[in-house]
Amino acid sequence: KAGVTQTPRYLIKTRGQQVTLSCSPISGHRSVSWYQQTPGQGLQFLFEYFSETQRNKGNFPGRFSGRQFSNSRSEMNVSTLELGDSALYLCASSRGDSSYEQYFGPGTRLTVT
Amino acid sequence: SQQGEEDPQALSIQEGENATMNCSYKTSINNLQWYRQNSGRGLVHLILIRSNEREKHSGRLRVTLDTSKKSSSLLITASRAADTASYFCATDSSYKLIFGSGTRLLVRP
Repeated sequence: KAGVTQTPRYLIKTRGQQVTLSCSPISGHRSVSWYQQTPGQGLQFLFEYFSETQRNKGNFPGRFSGRQFSNSRSEMNVSTLELGDSALYLCASSRGDSSYEQYFGPGTRLTVT
Repeated sequence: SQQGEEDPQALSIQEGENATMNCSYKTSINNLQWYRQNSGRGLVHLILIRSNEREKHSGRLRVTLDTSKKSSSLLITASRAADTASYFCATDSSYKLIFGSGTRLLVRP
């Protein structure tokens, strides 16, 4: 079974731009979650989707948004990028909710200059 | 916010030794999970222990859970250089995982 894939793997953007990250879950998994990892804040939850519905959202500004498509693939968008948005963005999929083990993708390393 | 706090923050041991890392959390849980992350890469699920379990084994891994103390420990026996990574505990709440700050483990050959 193919694992979780994330594209792109690396991205360099300038302040004020916007970015879209993509995540393809493991086949059959309907839950997709997104996390931001930074040295200062650690791993922080962004949002979770299940069957195209957002079930929970973390404490991030409205510049961070996401969606899930009918094939369970998910995208997250960050508008008006700030230097502090530089981070590793991780996507995870699972069969159900967070009580199940999560399968993580390799992440997208975003650098904002 | 981080639910789990891990101790120690960093651990350096010799190959073949055992490594123990601890995690404390704040609220009641359904289960607790442990993940490994190799430098700057995705997380790999290691083991899940449910709130009604006290101990669980998987290969060289042993996890304990003490819900009265709101704490868990991960023991890696007979460590190998390939075990060098960061280890995180995570609790689940409302469709999200809340991760601890992690323990950086260095296994010296």
